[in-house]
Amino acid sequence: QKEVEQDPGPLSVPEGAIVSLNCTYSNSAFQYFMWYRQYSRKGPELLMYTYSSGNKEDGRFTAQVDKSSKYISLFIRDSQPSDSATYLCAMIRTATGAGSYQLTFGKGTKLSVIP
Amino acid sequence: EAGVAQSPRYKIIEKRQSVAFWCNPISGHATLYWYQQILGQGPKLLIQFQNNGVVDDSQLPKDRFSAERLKGVDSTLKIQPAKLEDSAVYLCASSPPGTSGPQAPLKETQYFGPGTRLLVL
Repeated sequence: QKEVEQDPGPLSVPEGAIVSLNCTYSNSAFQYFMWYRQYSRKGPELLMYTYSSGNKEDGRFTAQVDKSSKYISLFIRDSQPSDSATYLCAMIRTATGAGSYQLTFGKGTKLSVIP
Repeated sequence: EAGVAQSPRYKIIEKRQSVAFWCNPISGHATLYWYQQILGQGPKLLIQFQNNGVVDDSQLPKDRFSAERLKGVDSTLKIQPAKLEDSAVYLCASSPPGTSGPQAPLKETQYFGPGTRLLVL
């Protein structure tokens, strides 16, 4: 079993739809959770991050973490064609010292928002 | 602020040839990472540098891959000899100097370059 599982999709939705992207993980040592967005032929860029369970909102994006279920989600409201990209969840284990934080990524979900 | 620079952007080689990739991190970033991203997969860490020292190279196939970060700034990743399964995007990332406290991993955000797309024929 992989440490981080993410459905690769592809996921295709009409413009304006609410998008739900999810990851599950098996290692309870993961304490920090991120979502990266990767446009075609570009490097990943950090979209949102969170440390604790609960919700975090930033504009049209909401990140949700449920540590008891080892389940994280990213919701996109009023999706736009410019949101078409691959969304990667990433996690960091409990910090062990400055400068050593390593990301473990999911496979990424490819999202297409159709105008 | 200039981002992470990588070159070349694309490279096509035949198996058993050698290839080198270059990365220039964001100015002042102490930590540098090399990732391999195979098509349809998330990035996988190959090696992590802190200044010019190696922090972790446990997933680097050392029989064919090597990396260095001279003077704690630029870095090169080399593959010699290349295999078909090395076809991937090689991403470089950098993060700012360390902080302390429970929020530290979130403050040391990794910034990724555009990657080098390698095709081994």
